[in-house]
Amino acid sequence: QKEVEQDPGPLSVPEGAIVSLNCTYSNSAFQYFMWYRQYSRKGPELLMYTYSSGNKEDGRFTAQVDKSSKYISLFIRDSQPSDSATYLCAMSDSGGSNYKLTFGKGTLLTVNP
Amino acid sequence: DAGVIQSPRHEVTEMGQEVTLRCKPISGHDYLFWYRQTMMRGLELLIYFNNNVPIDDSGMPEDRFSAKMPNASFSTLKIQPSEPRDSAVYFCASSRGGTAVGEQYFGPGTRLTVT
Repeated sequence: QKEVEQDPGPLSVPEGAIVSLNCTYSNSAFQYFMWYRQYSRKGPELLMYTYSSGNKEDGRFTAQVDKSSKYISLFIRDSQPSDSATYLCAMSDSGGSNYKLTFGKGTLLTVNP
Repeated sequence: DAGVIQSPRHEVTEMGQEVTLRCKPISGHDYLFWYRQTMMRGLELLIYFNNNVPIDDSGMPEDRFSAKMPNASFSTLKIQPSEPRDSAVYFCASSRGGTAVGEQYFGPGTRLTVT
């Protein structure tokens, strides 16, 4: 079993739709959870960052973490064509001496005008 | 801030040749990471440095790969000899560490093709 599983998609939605992206993980030691967005032929950029369980909202984006189920989600409200990108989840088990991030393979999202 | 700078942006080389990828991290960031991205394996961490010292190189695929960070503003990833299976996009990222453990800033990547 891979440490982080993410449905690669592709996912295609109409403009204005609510998008749900998800990752599951197996390592219960993960405490830091991130979502990165990667446009075509660009480097990933940090979109959302959460610690432990709970929700975090930033504009149209909401990140949810359910540690009991080892499941994280990213919701995009009122999706826009500019949201078309690959979304990668990432996780880390400690802020101490270990700064390794484990990434999902990414979900390709297309928002159609 | 100029962000993380990588060079070259594209590299095409023949099997057996030496390849050197270069990275300049964001000033003030004390962590530097090298990643490789392929369709099959996704984004994989190869090695990371803290204050110019290699901390974890367990992701380096084999002895053909080596990385150095001679100072806080420069790092190299070298492949010698290169093989077709090394074809991938290589990213450099930097971070302040601490509570910002997940806030990594990626460069634009180097697209390597080994023929």
